[in-house]
Amino acid sequence: KQEVTQIPAALSVPEGENLVLNCSFTDSAIYNLQWFRQDPGKGLTSLLLIQSSQREQTSGRLNASLDKSSGRSTLYIAASQPGDSATYLCAVRRNNRLAFGKGNQVVVIP
Amino acid sequence: EAQVTQNPRYLITVTGKKLTVTCSQNMNHEYMSWYRQDPGLGLRQIYYSMNVEVTDKGDVPEGYKVSRKEKRNFPLILESPSPNQTSLYFCASSSQGTNQPQHFGDGTRLSIL
Repeated sequence: KQEVTQIPAALSVPEGENLVLNCSFTDSAIYNLQWFRQDPGKGLTSLLLIQSSQREQTSGRLNASLDKSSGRSTLYIAASQPGDSATYLCAVRRNNRLAFGKGNQVVVIP
Repeated sequence: EAQVTQNPRYLITVTGKKLTVTCSQNMNHEYMSWYRQDPGLGLRQIYYSMNVEVTDKGDVPEGYKVSRKEKRNFPLILESPSPNQTSLYFCASSSQGTNQPQHFGDGTRLSIL
């Protein structure tokens, strides 16, 4: 069974610092990995999707890398802003099943 | 606007009273799925559907039923709800293909007393 781990569970950073969020998974036979953002009381917003054949994806201040062989992905958020405060979730897909990590709860301090 | 719509958004009910949470998407997606989110356990997949009349169990299917009679709709049925099914539920959809992102609804908060 696929296990997805996100460490740390919570972190605070001052505004302007770069954020680095880590996701690890136990089974490297994945189709893709997706990063989501979740605001309190809200649904999940897709940020980036990396296919298993890709090494990274970028969108604006966000960059996600994937090292499938070692079972790791990293989400970088450059020059963090208070509006980046949220919970960030990673999910790996294999066949038709999605397995989620428990998330990194991020607070960006003005 | 492309979206996944869940109803109701909030529901408080009692043990044993059958309920249905509806999910509808307007993106012509083949794949649809239900998840529950619980503190300390994260998101777990309940059921998924690859297309009309094709459904399969996820990680935590006990106590739930689903149906997929139309492509756009994927209701979640709790025939005899129990307090341990109190949770935040999400429906999601995507196109077929391994490079397609999942689109999520806003969630349904169920409280079963």
